[in-house]
Amino acid sequence: GDSVTQMEGPVTLSEEAFLTINCTYTATGYPSLFWYVQYPGEGLQLLLKATKADDKGSNKGFEATYRKETTSFHLEKGSVQVSDSAVYFCALSEGETSGSRLTFGEGTQLTVNP
Amino acid sequence: GAGVSQTPSNKVTEKGKYVELRCDPISGHTALYWYRQSLGQGPEFLIYFQGTGAADDSGLPNDRFFAVRPEGSVSTLKIQRTERGDSAVYLCASSIRGATSNEQFFGPGTRLTVL
Repeated sequence: GDSVTQMEGPVTLSEEAFLTINCTYTATGYPSLFWYVQYPGEGLQLLLKATKADDKGSNKGFEATYRKETTSFHLEKGSVQVSDSAVYFCALSEGETSGSRLTFGEGTQLTVNP
Repeated sequence: GAGVSQTPSNKVTEKGKYVELRCDPISGHTALYWYRQSLGQGPEFLIYFQGTGAADDSGLPNDRFFAVRPEGSVSTLKIQRTERGDSAVYLCASSIRGATSNEQFFGPGTRLTVL
């Protein structure tokens, strides 16, 4: 079945440091890929997405590129802020249209210190 | 506009009891999903509704779990004879059918504790 593997956490960085959170996936077809973020005390929010190979999703300074050849969707940000402290989840969905379940990774806790 | 809402936000119950968890999706969203998130884990799919019918219930762990969506809007997740292992945060999400990408909007969750 489908699966998503994220780098083990937690991750602790200083403000303005470079961030990479690794994500690899296993899927039978051609999934859409997502990064969701969960800020303290809040619900899951979509951060960015990519629906086909070589697409780059970006939002709030975060980027991730859909790499079919390495089955990866690593999350990056050039300069993190304290407000980026949250749990980040990589996820996939087998279908492009609404109706397909999301399969999540285990999540990576990010703490950014001032 | 209003997002996905879930009630109650917290539910504490005793082993063996019956519980109901409610989800109000975003108005106009025809697809509704339930997930379960255990501590330190990512959400796991339980069931998906398209309209009033359960289109995919393959994630329900056993027959103690059941969900309904009688009018195609509000959904209720029902758990019978609760066990301590059912303790988790239950998340609801909704999306628009036919969206070009499967963007699901999540509610804040119901934290269920079975003593």
